[in-house]
Amino acid sequence: AQKVTQAQTEISVVEKEDVTLDCVYETRDTTYYLFWYKQPPSGELVFLIRRNSFDEQNEISGRYSWNFQKSTSSFNFTITASQVVDSAVYFCALSDIGANNLFFGTGTRLTVIP
Amino acid sequence: DAGVIQSPRHEVTEMGQEVTLRCKPISGHNSLFWYRQTMMRGLELLIYFNNNVPIDDSGMPEDRFSAKMPNASFSTLKIQPSEPRDSAVYFCASSIRQGARGANVLTFGAGSRLTVL
Repeated sequence: AQKVTQAQTEISVVEKEDVTLDCVYETRDTTYYLFWYKQPPSGELVFLIRRNSFDEQNEISGRYSWNFQKSTSSFNFTITASQVVDSAVYFCALSDIGANNLFFGTGTRLTVIP
Repeated sequence: DAGVIQSPRHEVTEMGQEVTLRCKPISGHNSLFWYRQTMMRGLELLIYFNNNVPIDDSGMPEDRFSAKMPNASFSTLKIQPSEPRDSAVYFCASSIRQGARGANVLTFGAGSRLTVL
């Protein structure tokens, strides 16, 4: 069975600080996809990234970067030089290859203080 | 593209009333999902459809919940009768099914916030 754990319920940082959101997952499958979604205060869920289990290269997109480590079953998300607009709930999710649905973690609420 | 469109955005109703939530997926997407978000349980998958056919409804809480997808551009989630514990945000999402080797990127609607008094 799939499981996604986001142990950090809430994080507060001061603007311009770096912050890392942790995600640990469990699956019996050898091939799978991992995702991050952002839920800003307005409520919608916004897709950020999808990574398959074959690709352990870290990815950087602007101030966002993701560290995928299969050995520790982790897919952590780092925001560099955080901004107030980054304040949101961030969800990590898991999907098996060929599966249709996503299993979400419980989310981490990030507050960036100006 | 207008994205996934949900209505109503907010619904307040009294216990025992019927509630119908509506969803228009992105044109061309062939998979549709209904999720429920609550503080206690987080994001839960209720049901999903492929090509308008319900594939997995194991997340539907009980018989009071039903979902239909009469065509590729419309789906409903109905609760009858509603109860206070059904209060939640209900999200609809759609995607293009990637086949046996892919995994979907779900595009979510803005959600329907339901309050049952």
